[in-house]
Amino acid sequence: DIQMTQSPASLSASLGETVTIECRASEDIYNGLAWYQQKPGKSPQLLIYNANSLHTGVPSRFSGSGSGTQYSLKINSLQSEDVASYFCQQYYDYPFTFGSGTKLEIK
Amino acid sequence: QVQLKETGPDLVQLTQTLSITCTVSGFSLTTYNVHWVRQPPGKGLEWMGAMWNGGGTDYNSAFKSRLSISRDTSKSQVFLKMNSLQTDDTAKYFCARLGEDYWYFDFWGPGTMVTVSS
Repeated sequence: DIQMTQSPASLSASLGETVTIECRASEDIYNGLAWYQQKPGKSPQLLIYNANSLHTGVPSRFSGSGSGTQYSLKINSLQSEDVASYFCQQYYDYPFTFGSGTKLEIK
Repeated sequence: QVQLKETGPDLVQLTQTLSITCTVSGFSLTTYNVHWVRQPPGKGLEWMGAMWNGGGTDYNSAFKSRLSISRDTSKSQVFLKMNSLQTDDTAKYFCARLGEDYWYFDFWGPGTMVTVSS
């Protein structure tokens, strides 16, 4: 199975700041990567797919980048509604696997 | 609009069988694929298995032969059945739709929380 190592586990930042979350795959996943946002008690919501494509309706302050085994999610101009957990998911190979998550809080 | 909704028991006894139904609307099960993902309390997400639009299935080997996924296209429902439940099967169970072109999950149900009781 492809292991997804996500960091950091938690993150605290101020409103308006830029934050970056990273995922490292145990092997090349050829941009088969998605990022999800999950608010407490809710289901995950797709943000980014194919490593860098913004899903319909997602604010442009979210962006994804990376290739090979290293990927990142950047959130510009942090807003209060961005408080959530964020997960990466590889879909290059079965079984689909997820990162362990990053909990984002506002300072 | 696209919707998925899981229904199942809140509580299942140790070693018993879990059955959850995912009812979808706004799309056809013969066009889109629906998968199951679970999340233990306070933990990450785990892919369980898939119901493909052609009727085939795939399973995460972590569940060995405990897991079965089936569907009734006439009712727009996908079913998850898992036997020999243990306490570490306590989790929120989600059904999610796979994207049309790539294998990300573009729509999720709200999930149903299942507690395995000893």
